[in-house]
Amino acid sequence: QVQLVESGPGLVQPSQTLSLTCSLSGDSISSGSYYWSWIRQPAGKGLEWIGRIYPSGGINYSPSLKSRITISVDTSKNQFSLKLHSVTAADTAIYYCARDRSGDRAFDVWGQGTMVTVSS
Amino acid sequence: DIVMTQSPDSLAVSLGERATINCKSSQSVLFNSNNKNYLAWYQQKPGQPPKLLIYWASTRESGVPDRFSGSGSETDFTLTISSLQAEDVAVYFCQQYYGTPWTFGQGTKVDIK
Repeated sequence: QVQLVESGPGLVQPSQTLSLTCSLSGDSISSGSYYWSWIRQPAGKGLEWIGRIYPSGGINYSPSLKSRITISVDTSKNQFSLKLHSVTAADTAIYYCARDRSGDRAFDVWGQGTMVTVSS
Repeated sequence: DIVMTQSPDSLAVSLGERATINCKSSQSVLFNSNNKNYLAWYQQKPGQPPKLLIYWASTRESGVPDRFSGSGSETDFTLTISSLQAEDVAVYFCQQYYGTPWTFGQGTKVDIK
């Protein structure tokens, strides 16, 4: 069974870089024809897609965040990562990683999410 | 960006009754090459990640009860819960995966009347 687990600091200071990792178990991140996405959700609000990566090559970023984000993959660790630079309080949210099967099933596997608060 | 708009924002339905949620996209999400609508529905319960219910607008994900159904095409879509159960209390989101950036509706909260 494929599982995703997000990890990273729960508190980030304003203007700093938020760094999160998503670890995959039950499959190899480079074995299938899948993208791997990051999505966030401010408390009590809707969902915002951040970006995605295809381990064999290919990255898409949300235009609204493109100037501040970096998504990368480490196939040796079966992980992919998100860096969000120059954070503000508006970046406070639950961050999810998800398997992106946009060819058919959209986001069919999600991590449990990790809460990140931007505050001094 | 494709804007997704759901209605209503919330609804309360009696147990065993039908619940209907609408989702409208600002442009068509129908791929003419395969005649598939790239529209998904998710259920989110408090403290949990979203769960995929429906993809391609009307295909139920494996394990999803058949009281959940999706319909619609191009820009107008509906999620129907035919007989509301207590465990269906949740927020429901639609999402288009026709073109990046992928975008979601604002969510519809379903409660028991």
